[in-house]
Amino acid sequence: EDKVVQSPLSLVVHEGDTVTLNCSYEVTNFRSLLWYKQEKKAPTFLFMLTSSGIEKKSGRLSSILDKKELFSILNITATQTGDSAVYLCAVGGGGSQGNLIFGKGTKLSVKP
Amino acid sequence: KAGVTQTPRYLIKTRGQQVTLSCSPISGHRSVSWYQQTPGQGLQFLFEYFSETQRNKGNFPGRFSGRQFSNSRSEMNVSTLELGDSALYLCASSWDGEAFFGQGTRLTVV
Repeated sequence: EDKVVQSPLSLVVHEGDTVTLNCSYEVTNFRSLLWYKQEKKAPTFLFMLTSSGIEKKSGRLSSILDKKELFSILNITATQTGDSAVYLCAVGGGGSQGNLIFGKGTKLSVKP
Repeated sequence: KAGVTQTPRYLIKTRGQQVTLSCSPISGHRSVSWYQQTPGQGLQFLFEYFSETQRNKGNFPGRFSGRQFSNSRSEMNVSTLELGDSALYLCASSWDGEAFFGQGTRLTVV
């Protein structure tokens, strides 16, 4: 059975800290791995990763994929209170690009 | 470019009723997927439509159905509502593997 596992489930840090969120997967016909940030309603797209070892960066956020070990990490440096959210990892597999298998998410709380 | 638009934003229905939710994808996107999000199960895939055809379906009962129109707008329908159908229903439109979500419809079944 396809599965995506995120760790930790929750995390509390202080502003300025650096955090690493983990996502491991077992998905047949892997196509891509996506990261989202969800604050209230709509998950907001962060990154899509398809190739191993190539880091994607956007400001203080970065992510990398290891297709051999079947995991990805999302790093956030110099955290701010606005980074508080649930971070979701999703893996695209099967024959359709619209089918994403989601992890349960990591709830990040950043204290001032 | 306008994002993914879902209507309505909130719905309250009674057990046994049926409901229809609507999703307008990003202009140019032909793939529309639907997901159910609950606190216990997280985000679960319902189905995906591409060019008016259902391309993939998740493990939900037949009470959940959908369709897509020629302008790529999609609707999902839930018949004979149950209390357990209370959830946030999210629609995503995709292009080249990148999926973008709408604000969702919060359905409460009482």
